Amino acid sequence: GENVEQHPSTLSVQEGDSAVIKCTYSDSASNYFPWYKQELGKRPQLIIDIRSNVGEKKDQRIAVTLNKTAKHFSLHITETQPEDSAVYFCAARDGGSQGNLIFGKGTKLSVKP
Amino acid sequence: ETGVTQTPRHLVMGMTNKKSLKCEQHLGHNAMYWYKQSAKKPLELMFVYSLEERVENNSVPSRFSPECPNSSHLFLHLHTLQPEDSALYLCASSHLQGFNTGELFFGEGSRLTVL
Repeated sequence: GENVEQHPSTLSVQEGDSAVIKCTYSDSASNYFPWYKQELGKRPQLIIDIRSNVGEKKDQRIAVTLNKTAKHFSLHITETQPEDSAVYFCAARDGGSQGNLIFGKGTKLSVKP
Repeated sequence: ETGVTQTPRHLVMGMTNKKSLKCEQHLGHNAMYWYKQSAKKPLELMFVYSLEERVENNSVPSRFSPECPNSSHLFLHLHTLQPEDSALYLCASSHLQGFNTGELFFGEGSRLTVL
């Protein structure tokens, strides 16, 4: 089955700096890679996703890149703001079974004003 | 009310108690899930229901018993739990297209503490 590794587990940046979170996956059949943001005490919510037929996707200050050969994908947040502080989870769709999402352990991002 | 709602939000129970968690989705989705969220661990998929039939059980102990009476409601029945079962239990729903999972919409979670 799929296994997803996520790094770093914690990340602290100054407001305005960029933040990068990296994930690797094991199942070469995986074809869908979403990122979820979970603010303190709130539910995880999808912020961006990428499918295996593209290498990069951007939405305002956030972008995701995918390297299928190396089986890794990354989340990039530019011009960080205090409201970006949250736990970010990457996930990969399991290439087998029902195509369920397998999550990484999460990265706690702190943006200091 | 729209989205995915879970009750109760907080639950404290003894190891001999029997309790249930409830989840309701108002999104017209055809799949529902239970995830367990523990500190410093990935979100762990526990159960998947597609069209009210359980399609996956990731080797969850029998002290957790799911029930999906219809496509909008999902329960997690709890009995004789252990302290290590203390965690945030998240319900989610999605629109399942063939064998692919669409975007997951999560509830706020039920924070469970087992004494």
